[in-house]
Amino acid sequence: QKEVEQNSGPLSVPEGAIASLNCTYSDRGSQSFFWYRQYSGKSPELIMSIYSNGDKEDGRFTAQLNKASQYVSLLIRDSQPSDSATYLCAPLKAAGNKLTFGGGTRVLVKP
Amino acid sequence: DTEVTQTPKHLVMGMTNKKSLKCEQHMGHRAMYWYKQKAKKPPELMFVYSYEKLSINESVPSRFSPECPNSSLLNLHLHALQPEDSALYLCASSQALTATYEQYFGPGTRLTVT
Repeated sequence: QKEVEQNSGPLSVPEGAIASLNCTYSDRGSQSFFWYRQYSGKSPELIMSIYSNGDKEDGRFTAQLNKASQYVSLLIRDSQPSDSATYLCAPLKAAGNKLTFGGGTRVLVKP
Repeated sequence: DTEVTQTPKHLVMGMTNKKSLKCEQHMGHRAMYWYKQKAKKPPELMFVYSYEKLSINESVPSRFSPECPNSSLLNLHLHALQPEDSALYLCASSQALTATYEQYFGPGTRLTVT
């Protein structure tokens, strides 16, 4: 079992729709969770961080965390073609405070 | 401002060369990181510095040698690399090495070993 699991996609979403990305993790000690967006050939860009159970909204992005289920998700509302990228889920491992990345979900927003 | 800069942007080197990658941040962050990313894979942690001291070495081969001359600078010295070391090398920084601080990545150096 991988430490962090994400559906690799591609997740194809019409422009204006909601994109829903899921992530499960194995380290029950993880307390901090991050979502990074990575365009092809570029470096990861931090878009959301979440530390407590529940929802956290920032603009068109909403992160959801359920530590009991070891599940974190990202919703992108009103998806735009510029949202087409790979989204990396990254829990922080309790041991050593190291980021562990999932394989990423590729999102394609079609006009 | 959450800017981390890296130089050079691209580097081509032979297997017998010695080169260095440079990373700089002026955000007052005290933790700095080197990651390696191969195509279509997530970043892999290589080294972590906390308050200018090496905190984590993820069993990286000795042909990679990190250095943290001061709190703003991080170098990665490269020697006798192999073609399989070709990758995007990413530097990141965070305010400190604790659970609540976010890591910010630089643009990366794309390394090709010939």
